[in-house]
Amino acid sequence: GQQVMQIPQYQHVQEGEDFTTYCNSSTTLSNIQWYKQRPGGHPVFLIQLVKSGEVKKQKRLTFQFGEAKKNSSLHITATQTTDVGTYFCAGPGYSGAGSYQLTFGKGTKLSVIP
Amino acid sequence: DGGITQSPKYLFRKEGQNVTLSCEQNLNHDAMYWYRQDPGQGLRLIYYSQIVNDFQKGDIAEGYSVSREKKESFPLTVTSAQKNPTAFYLCASSPGYTGELFFGEGSRLTVL
Repeated sequence: GQQVMQIPQYQHVQEGEDFTTYCNSSTTLSNIQWYKQRPGGHPVFLIQLVKSGEVKKQKRLTFQFGEAKKNSSLHITATQTTDVGTYFCAGPGYSGAGSYQLTFGKGTKLSVIP
Repeated sequence: DGGITQSPKYLFRKEGQNVTLSCEQNLNHDAMYWYRQDPGQGLRLIYYSQIVNDFQKGDIAEGYSVSREKKESFPLTVTSAQKNPTAFYLCASSPGYTGELFFGEGSRLTVL
């Protein structure tokens, strides 16, 4: 079945440093989504990328979708303590019955040292 | 306010007991999902439903059951057959194919 791998699993950064998490899929994706889960909270949708080579920005966050649509990255510039949490990528998969489901990576847990 | 409501937030049960987790949404979404989250394991799909009266097994369906009798509701039963049920359970919905997921606040189940 489809696999979505994410690295690193953990990242500790000093406040103000940059942070990047990488996502790789075993299959070509029609789109990729990114979610953030704060400690003790639930995942919240950040963004969806659809086009090959697409780059989107949200303030200090930059999201990229690879040319082959099999990998993606999330880069945070000048991290702040509010960035703490786990970042997940997720890609759609299709079962033999034609049903759509979303497969999540294991996430990258970001800690920011003030 | 539109959203997804999961209950209970915390639940304790003894081994051998079945327990049902509630998930209700008023977003008028067709698709609903149940995920299980364990530390370091990310989110793993248990069951999903894309239309009323129909649902499919996800990657870890053994020991779980669901129903989808109404569009708004997608309850999950953790049966005694589930070997390691202690986990954080997340319900989600989406407006359709390839759409973003909206998550509830989760239910934390502890088996004593």
